[in-house]
Amino acid sequence: KQEVTQIPAALSVPEGENLVLNCSFTDSAIYNLQWFRQDPGKGLTSLLLIQSSQREQTSGRLNASLDKSSGRSTLYIAASQPGDSATYLCAVLMTTDSWGKLQFGAGTQVVVTP
Amino acid sequence: DAGVIQSPRHEVTEMGQEVTLRCKPISGHNSLFWYRQTMMRGLELLIYFNNNVPIDDSGMPEDRFSAKMPNASFSTLKIQPSEPRDSAVYFCASTTTPGGGELFFGEGSRLTVL
Repeated sequence: KQEVTQIPAALSVPEGENLVLNCSFTDSAIYNLQWFRQDPGKGLTSLLLIQSSQREQTSGRLNASLDKSSGRSTLYIAASQPGDSATYLCAVLMTTDSWGKLQFGAGTQVVVTP
Repeated sequence: DAGVIQSPRHEVTEMGQEVTLRCKPISGHNSLFWYRQTMMRGLELLIYFNNNVPIDDSGMPEDRFSAKMPNASFSTLKIQPSEPRDSAVYFCASTTTPGGGELFFGEGSRLTVL
């Protein structure tokens, strides 16, 4: 059974520092991995989608890496801003679940202080 | 596109009452998911549909929960009778499958059962 873990559960950094968020999974037979952002009282917003054949994806200040063999993904947010404060979740899609059934981590709550 | 649209955004009801949550997926998406989010259990997948057909409802907590998707643009999640432990935020999400595309979430329906 796939288990997705995000450590730490919470993180506080001063504005301008780079953020490093970790996601680990126990079964490397994944189809892809997604990073989401959730603001309080809101739904989840997809940030980056990495296919299993890719090593990384970039969008603006965001960069996500994927190492399937070690069961890890890392989300980097450069030069953090107070507006980056949110909960970040990762989710994996198994190769056996082409219907799109994602397995979510519990998330990392990020606070960026001015 | 307006994104995934859910209604109502907030619902407060008394134990024993019937609750119906509604979802309109993004046009062209052929897979729809219902999730429940609580502080204790995080995000839980309740049921998902592909081309209006229920694929996996193993996450539905008990017989009090039912979901339908009568057409490609509408789905309902019904709880009858509701109980206080059903209090949670219920999210609807849609995507295109197969292919493991990005998952798009609605803003959620916050349910409080007194």
